[in-house]
Amino acid sequence: DTEVTQTPKHLVMGMTNKKSLKCEQHMGHRAMYWYKQKAKKPPELMFVYSYEKLSINESVPSRFSPECPNSSLLNLHLHALQPEDSALYLCASSHTFRSNTEAFFGQGTRLTVV
Amino acid sequence: SQQGEEDPQALSIQEGENATMNCSYKTSINNLQWYRQNSGRGLVHLILIRSNEREKHSGRLRVTLDTSKKSSSLLITASRAADTASYFCATEGAQKLVFGQGTRLTINP
Repeated sequence: DTEVTQTPKHLVMGMTNKKSLKCEQHMGHRAMYWYKQKAKKPPELMFVYSYEKLSINESVPSRFSPECPNSSLLNLHLHALQPEDSALYLCASSHTFRSNTEAFFGQGTRLTVV
Repeated sequence: SQQGEEDPQALSIQEGENATMNCSYKTSINNLQWYRQNSGRGLVHLILIRSNEREKHSGRLRVTLDTSKKSSSLLITASRAADTASYFCATEGAQKLVFGQGTRLTINP
């Protein structure tokens, strides 16, 4: 199984809502990532988890809250988002850092904040 | 922060022609990777070249890396309509995988 599964595929939420994005992989990868991608732009790194611990937070606003419950799951909790947070949110995983192996990406969650 | 710059930003060629995309980066890296993204979908890994390698091939893909110039190129030979996509270079270093701005490639039948 070389898949990273993200749910939901599409999400529309109001600015007062609380929602969560989910990401799952069963490849035994110990590095997991959240990226945000706006239209016609490259993915921007948000968070990095290494062995289930948050190792990098790229100065992301606190309305985005990541969680790594176990080595296979990665969540992104959303609260009080703004319309400008509408984007494609991508989850990825890789073996470990410095392993010189590729990252596997999920298909993303298309988020619209209204 | 994005450290990779790619050129051209957009490239349109005829089917069967070769396509070349370039990537430059700023900091030291463990490796450089190329990914393809079909519109609005996830990224697919194409090829990885380590910092101590200079050239790598995979099928119709050829990647070069010049660490002295902090640059890489991706050559796609004998292009096909299915190669139409956005192509991103990504550098791995300091526990981060950081993407360049990307090249939008269009293959015309």
